[in-house]
Amino acid sequence: NAGVTQTPKFRILKIGQSMTLQCTQDMNHNYMYWYRQDPGMGLKLIYYSVGAGITDKGEVPNGYNVSRSTTEDFPLRLELAAPSQTSVYFCASTNHQPGSPLHFGNGTRLTVT
Amino acid sequence: SQELEQSPQSLIVQEGKNLTINCTSSKTLYGLYWYKQKYGEGLIFLMMLQKGGEEKSHEKITAKLDEKKQQSSLHITASQPSHAGIYLCGADILGSGTYKYIFGTGTRLKVLA
Repeated sequence: NAGVTQTPKFRILKIGQSMTLQCTQDMNHNYMYWYRQDPGMGLKLIYYSVGAGITDKGEVPNGYNVSRSTTEDFPLRLELAAPSQTSVYFCASTNHQPGSPLHFGNGTRLTVT
Repeated sequence: SQELEQSPQSLIVQEGKNLTINCTSSKTLYGLYWYKQKYGEGLIFLMMLQKGGEEKSHEKITAKLDEKKQQSSLHITASQPSHAGIYLCGADILGSGTYKYIFGTGTRLKVLA
């Protein structure tokens, strides 16, 4: 059972480059989330999705875009990478039934120089 | 502004000591989740509280949710070095007619042997 899979695990970008962080889950969860975690800090919600075709902004959406064309996939796009986007990015999903927690991927460590 | 406040931000305790971490919101929490994160790794689900006044325990960790469902505490009894890490509270906050998970700022715990 794969759960939530994120790729890549590590990436170094130059300022102004773009990239897509991939996230896929095989649990048929409707809800999916992208978070960033800066060193020594908690998680900040970037975007979330409550189902295919539906996305919404979280706490820190600027500089990012998302899409949700299928239930399984929820990619996060950085169009013009900036040093402030250096962080660890976590994808998570849940079926949002009572008592069910978020299932997290292992994270993508991104450095923008 | 931070919708979920955690305190303290960091904590250093001697092995064997008890400790408490708090998580507070100005909004009603529709589900309160506690996670642990080892440094540089993903999040591990600890427990979830839904009902006002609810209390759950797992091994030496006890979590409570107050009657108003706006504050939760995590208590560790007789701490061990294996308890070290970052503790994060997360909650369902009703947003835009759907549920979005947000997280507190995290508490970094060190346990000295």
